[in-house]
Amino acid sequence: DAGVIQSPRHEVTEMGQEVTLRCKPISGHDYLFWYRQTMMRGLELLIYFNNNVPIDDSGMPEDRFSAKMPNASFSTLKIQPSEPRDSAVYFCASSTGTAYEKLFFGSGTQLSVL
Amino acid sequence: LAKTTQPISMDSYEGQEVNITCSHNNIATNDYITWYQQFPSQGPRFIIQGYKTKVTNEVASLFIPADRKSSTLSLPRVSLSDTAVYYCLVKGNTPLVFGKGTRLSVIA
Repeated sequence: DAGVIQSPRHEVTEMGQEVTLRCKPISGHDYLFWYRQTMMRGLELLIYFNNNVPIDDSGMPEDRFSAKMPNASFSTLKIQPSEPRDSAVYFCASSTGTAYEKLFFGSGTQLSVL
Repeated sequence: LAKTTQPISMDSYEGQEVNITCSHNNIATNDYITWYQQFPSQGPRFIIQGYKTKVTNEVASLFIPADRKSSTLSLPRVSLSDTAVYYCLVKGNTPLVFGKGTRLSVIA
């Protein structure tokens, strides 16, 4: 299995632009998680899905952030408009319902908003 | 949600055994204890999980006392490649919450 695949690996954009991060979970996993990591705040859970349905988005910072999971093999995290404080590494992870504690993470997207 | 406390950082020389202790005083009866490892520029990686007593795999050992209010991750004979951040997590009713972890630096 290729593992969790995220794209792009790096993203540099200017303030005010729309940013879309993509994630392909491991086939057969029914949970998908989006995390954000910064030096100051560590690793924060933004939102998670179960069977493509958003379960908890209380970690999403504000309305500029949105996430979708149109099918079991694809999810997006969108920031519109982006701001410099959104600069961080964004990770996607997936797991199965029977191994809820064992998350498989992607390599992350390093986002820089100038 | 069970909160965990672990040291912010630790240093060790190559070849030594490293023990990282995590406290989780309000762990619930059905909670498992899970440890992750994160190398620079990578996502966290599951390394070990346990409920009580001792668990060992090819990477580490996990010691959990009878009261389960703490746990200790043991890394035998560390090498430079074990330099990473180690997270202790306790499963609750919500998805895994990662704290700041313990930054282990292995010195030659």
